[in-house]
Amino acid sequence: GIQVEQSPPDLILQEGANSTLRCNFSDSVNNLQWFHQNPWGQLINLFYIPSGTKQNGRLSATTVATERYSLLYISSSQTTDSGVYFCAVPGYSTLTFGKGTMLLVSP
Amino acid sequence: DSGVTQTPKHLITATGQRVTLRCSPRSGDLSVYWYQQSLDQGLQFLIQYYNGEERAKGNILERFSAQQFPDLHSELNLSSLELGDSALYFCASSAPAGTGELFFGEGSRLTVL
Repeated sequence: GIQVEQSPPDLILQEGANSTLRCNFSDSVNNLQWFHQNPWGQLINLFYIPSGTKQNGRLSATTVATERYSLLYISSSQTTDSGVYFCAVPGYSTLTFGKGTMLLVSP
Repeated sequence: DSGVTQTPKHLITATGQRVTLRCSPRSGDLSVYWYQQSLDQGLQFLIQYYNGEERAKGNILERFSAQQFPDLHSELNLSSLELGDSALYFCASSAPAGTGELFFGEGSRLTVL
């Protein structure tokens, strides 16, 4: 099946810093989603981005489908950005998730 | 709020017991997916239903079963529970003939003691 790799696995930032999270996938896809899992466990949809670039406030995402990767940019990070960020692509029947990037933003 | 509702939010039970987790998809969505998230396994797909019919199976144990009812809500039944079944169980739904974008509920956290 399709493989999804996320990097870095862990990231610690000071509030206000910027960061880039990466998602590599092993096969061509027609769907890619980014999620944020907050410290309470909720999985929140960030982006549906099979290709191109989207922005939502301080967050933006870019997917280059031909090169099989996607990037999630977080600018001016806040403590509420802490949590785990997952990317997911279609695998067997439904989405296959990467192992995530754990982000800690300290005040 | 994703529009996907899961109950209960938290559940504590003992080994050997049986529990039922419930999910109501977003209005209009016909597909329901169940995922398990444990500390060592990450997010694992369990099973999918579409309009009452089983569509796909993932890494679902034989002790687990699910169904989707005519009103499209779904239940995941976990029986003969073991310590290792402690996990967050998520339900997700997607729109019919849509992009395949999944929307997740808040999850049910199961603790088996």
